[in-house]
Amino acid sequence: NAGVTQTPKFRVLKTGQSMTLLCAQDMNHEYMYWYRQDPGMGLRLIHYSVGEGTTAKGEVPDGYNVSRLKKQNFLLGLESAAPSQTSVYFCASGDNGYTFGSGTRLTVV
Amino acid sequence: RKEVEQDPGPFNVPEGATVAFNCTYSNSASQSFFWYRQDCRKEPKLLMSVYSSGNEDGRFTAQLNRASQYISLLIRDSKLSDSATYLCVVNIYNQGGKLIFGQGTELSVKP
Repeated sequence: NAGVTQTPKFRVLKTGQSMTLLCAQDMNHEYMYWYRQDPGMGLRLIHYSVGEGTTAKGEVPDGYNVSRLKKQNFLLGLESAAPSQTSVYFCASGDNGYTFGSGTRLTVV
Repeated sequence: RKEVEQDPGPFNVPEGATVAFNCTYSNSASQSFFWYRQDCRKEPKLLMSVYSSGNEDGRFTAQLNRASQYISLLIRDSKLSDSATYLCVVNIYNQGGKLIFGQGTELSVKP
C-alpha cells in the first residue's frame, strides 16, 4: 500500500518553463489537495478536488492549474514557472483525516 | 485575517514539562478539526482528530470549543521526540471540503 506518492521529488526549472507535478493515491479517497510550503508561511492551499472531474481554487491558485481526470490522480501544472514559485509542494488525500505525500522540492531559477 | 491562526512560538520547554498550543478559526461553518505534526523538511502527519467532547491519546489531549471557535492541544510529560512543528487544521465543509492549515507552532524540548 503506497499511500500518497508524489513525483518528482526534486526539480529545477528555468523561468518560463512548464512542468506537471503528479500526485497519486491508492486509498480510493474522494478529496485531494495541493499545498505549497514556504519558510515562515505554513502550508497554503493552492487547489483542491472533492472528486473525479472536479477542482476548486484554494488560497493561492494564481499561476497554477490542476486536473483530476482519474480519481486516484491529481495533477498540478505550472504553465510558465516564476522564481516566486520556488517552494516545497505537498499533496494530500483523505476523507476525514488526511495523508500527505513526501513533497516535491521545486526551484525556479 | 487568516482563517486559522496559531500561537507563533517557538516554545522551548524542558523534558517532562506540560505545554499547551492554541488555535482559533474564523469560519463558523468549519466542521472537522485536526492536529498535525511536521518534522523538519518532512511531510505533515496526522497526530489526532479533535472532537467537541475532547479527546485524549496517551500524553496528548485535544479540546474544541465551537462557541469560541477555539482548538487546543495539550502535551504532558514532554519528550525530546516531541520536538516538531504542530499544525492546527480545519476542514470547511460549506466550501466544498476546503482544508486550511494554521502556520504552525514550533516546539523544542530540551534535556
